[in-house]
Amino acid sequence: QKEVEQDPGPLSVPEGAIVSLNCTYSNSAFQYFMWYRQYSRKGPELLMYTYSSGNKEDGRFTAQVDKSSKYISLFIRDSQPSDSATYLCAMSEGSGNTGKLIFGQGTTLQVKP
Amino acid sequence: SAVISQKPSRDICQRGTSLTIQCQVDSQVTMMFWYRQQPGQSLTLIATANQGSEATYESGFVIDKFPISRPNLTFSTLTVSNMSPEDSSIYLCSVLPGGRGEKLFFGSGTQLSVL
Repeated sequence: QKEVEQDPGPLSVPEGAIVSLNCTYSNSAFQYFMWYRQYSRKGPELLMYTYSSGNKEDGRFTAQVDKSSKYISLFIRDSQPSDSATYLCAMSEGSGNTGKLIFGQGTTLQVKP
Repeated sequence: SAVISQKPSRDICQRGTSLTIQCQVDSQVTMMFWYRQQPGQSLTLIATANQGSEATYESGFVIDKFPISRPNLTFSTLTVSNMSPEDSSIYLCSVLPGGRGEKLFFGSGTQLSVL
């Protein structure tokens, strides 16, 4: 069993839809949770990061962490064609980002105009 | 933030040869890392590039296969040695500019194909 599980998709939605992306994990020591966005032939770009449980909102993006269920989510409101990319969840142990991240496989999202 | 330049951006290599990938950062950074992204697989940490000392490798990765140098706080190289088709992957340099607790930034990666 992988430490972090993420449905690779692809996920296709119409423009304006609410998108829900999810990851589950098995390591209860994970404390730091991130979402990265990766466009084709580009490196991953940090979207959101959250320490421990709770919600965090930034514009159209909301990250949720439920440590009791070992489940994290990223919601994208009013999705745009420019949101079409691969979304990677990532996690690490400890109270901060050590750079040693465990990634999910990534979910490919396509937002159709 | 940090601007990371990787060279080459892509290459096609023959089995048994070696390729050295360069990573240049526009400012001094505390920590640098090398990741691998195999087709259909998760991004996986290869090693931490330590300035002035030997790199720290993750389980499953060895120095003979992936020698790493980091001569200063802005530059690192990763060599993929004695390549086989299984080494075909994207190799990514990443940095933590301020050390632990900061955001991890990635370069654009090197797309390697081994024939």
